[in-house]
Formats: sequence, C-alpha cells, structure tokens
Amino acid sequence: KNEVEQSPQNLTAQEGEFITINCSYSVGISALHWLQQHPGGGIVSLFMLSSGKKKHGRLIATINIQEKHSSLHITASHPRDSAVYICAVKAAGSARQLTFGSGTQLTVLP
Amino acid sequence: KAGVTQTPRYLIKTRGQQVTLSCSPISGHRSVSWYQQTPGQGLQFLFEYFSETQRNKGNFPGRFSGRQFSNSRSEMNVSTLELGDSALYLCASSRTANYEQYFGPGTRLTVT
Repeated sequence: KNEVEQSPQNLTAQEGEFITINCSYSVGISALHWLQQHPGGGIVSLFMLSSGKKKHGRLIATINIQEKHSSLHITASHPRDSAVYICAVKAAGSARQLTFGSGTQLTVLP
Repeated sequence: KAGVTQTPRYLIKTRGQQVTLSCSPISGHRSVSWYQQTPGQGLQFLFEYFSETQRNKGNFPGRFSGRQFSNSRSEMNVSTLELGDSALYLCASSRTANYEQYFGPGTRLTVT
C-alpha cells in the first residue's frame, strides 16, 4: 500500500464545475503539499499546510490531521486548470523527504 | 527574483556513460532537493542538501550522487547510465527544509 493515495486518478469536468481531489496518507506528517504540473513538466507549489484550511484565489486546500486526509478544491473551474495535481507529504521525524501521490489528471472542457 | 534554474534542459546519453545535472536555487535559498519522475514510478525523492551537507537520501543506488556548493548551487551525477534512468529530473529549493519548495523546470534525460 502506498503511503500517499490520491483519488480520482483522472477527472474530466465542464468549465465552471466545482472540483474536489482527495489525498489520504498513512504516516505521521509535518506538512502536506499540493503541487500542480502542466504538460512539459513544470511543477508549481500550490499549498503547503499542516492544519486547517488555506485559500488562494479559486483554490482551497483542507487537511484533517486526525483522519490523515486532505482535499484540494477548485471553484468555478476553467480549461487553464487542466493539469496534473499531486499531493505530497513530508513525514514527521528524521525522514523529512517528500513522498508523492501518483497524481490526478484533471481535464476541464470548455 | 529569478526562479530555480536547471541546466541542461534536455540531454541524450548512451548506456554506460555518466551525466552531471546542475541546479541553481533561488537567491537566499539554502536547501536543494532532487527528484526523479518517470511514468512508471511517478515522483521519487533522490536527495536533499542544506549548507553543502547531504541531509537526506532516497532509496536509489550509489550510482546517483550529488553535492552542493558554498553558493547553494547543486549538482547531481549519475554514473554508468541505464535505460531505466531515463526520466525528468527536478530540483527544488527552499529557505530551509521546512519551508515551501520552489521547483525548477527539470532536465529531461534520455538514455539510449
């Protein structure tokens, strides 16, 4: 079982729809990251959070430490949101490297 | 402020050769991490450097090595290349290990 599980693997939505991507993890963490990767490879860090909720524009990230679960929400989705969204966790303690989920391919149709 | 830069962007090598990839972090960032991304394994952590010291290493063979210089620039080296080393190699920098990471554009390595 992977330490970081994302769902769904693929998601197709119509422009304007509300989108949710989920991430579950099995280890104690010091932080969780949401990343966005566009075709061509470039990765942008969207959020780093260790508790509660963060919002940036149309993007909202939440985390429930007790349930070891995080969600990324996109409100009023747009075709430019089409990308792969990756959840990554930094384990607590000495093993501080990031462990990544397999990503969610999001396609937003006009 | 300039972002993270990686050179070269694309590279083609043959099996058995060695390769060196370079990463220049954002000014003021002292932590540099390296990652490998392949279609089969996804993103995997290679190593992390802070103030010229390797702080953490992922589960990769000894053919993969790296170093960090006093100006925080980092290099990674892969010796005796194998076909399976074909991947996108990404580096990311942050102020320290516990801050948000900023990724470079990556170096796409193809081993033939």
